[in-house]
Amino acid sequence: GDSVTQMEGPVTLSEEAFLTINCTYTATGYPSLFWYVQYPGEGLQLLLKATKADDKGSNKGFEATYRKETTSFHLEKGSVQVSDSAVYFCALSIRTDKLIFGTGTRLQVFP
Amino acid sequence: DAGVIQSPRHEVTEMGQEVTLRCKPISGHNSLFWYRQTMMRGLELLIYFNNNVPIDDSGMPEDRFSAKMPNASFSTLKIQPSEPRDSAVYFCASSPETDTQYFGPGTRLTVL
Repeated sequence: GDSVTQMEGPVTLSEEAFLTINCTYTATGYPSLFWYVQYPGEGLQLLLKATKADDKGSNKGFEATYRKETTSFHLEKGSVQVSDSAVYFCALSIRTDKLIFGTGTRLQVFP
Repeated sequence: DAGVIQSPRHEVTEMGQEVTLRCKPISGHNSLFWYRQTMMRGLELLIYFNNNVPIDDSGMPEDRFSAKMPNASFSTLKIQPSEPRDSAVYFCASSPETDTQYFGPGTRLTVL
């Protein structure tokens, strides 16, 4: 079945370090891909999305490129801040309704 | 835009009691989702509605759980009777005619 696999956390970085959180997917069709972020005590928020191969989603300095050949959608940021500390979820959608989430990756950024 | 509204934000109850969680989706959104989040199981989709009709309830754990959407602006998730293993954060999300979901702040449920 359709699924999303994320790297296990926590990911611990110093401020201004480069961030990569890996995400790969398995899907029978052509999914849309998403990154959601959950700050402590809050619900999930959409961070970025890409709807077709080679699309790049970007927001708040974060980027992810839809790679069909490697079935991946890795999240990157060139210089993280303490305020980026949160849990990041990769997700896919085959139809326009149901999202399939990965298990989440906790990011901790220290000053 | 008020976003998705959930109530209560926190609920503490005793085993065996009935619990009702409430959700008001964003106006104009036609899909509504209920999720449960725990440390052990992560984020689980319980049920989702489209145009007030339940489409997929395969994630509902057992008969103790029920969900309704009587109109486009209101949904409930009910647990009767509640058990300690139901302790979790329950999220409601809504979506317009796209694949982007907008989450509420969640209800933290503790069953003693």
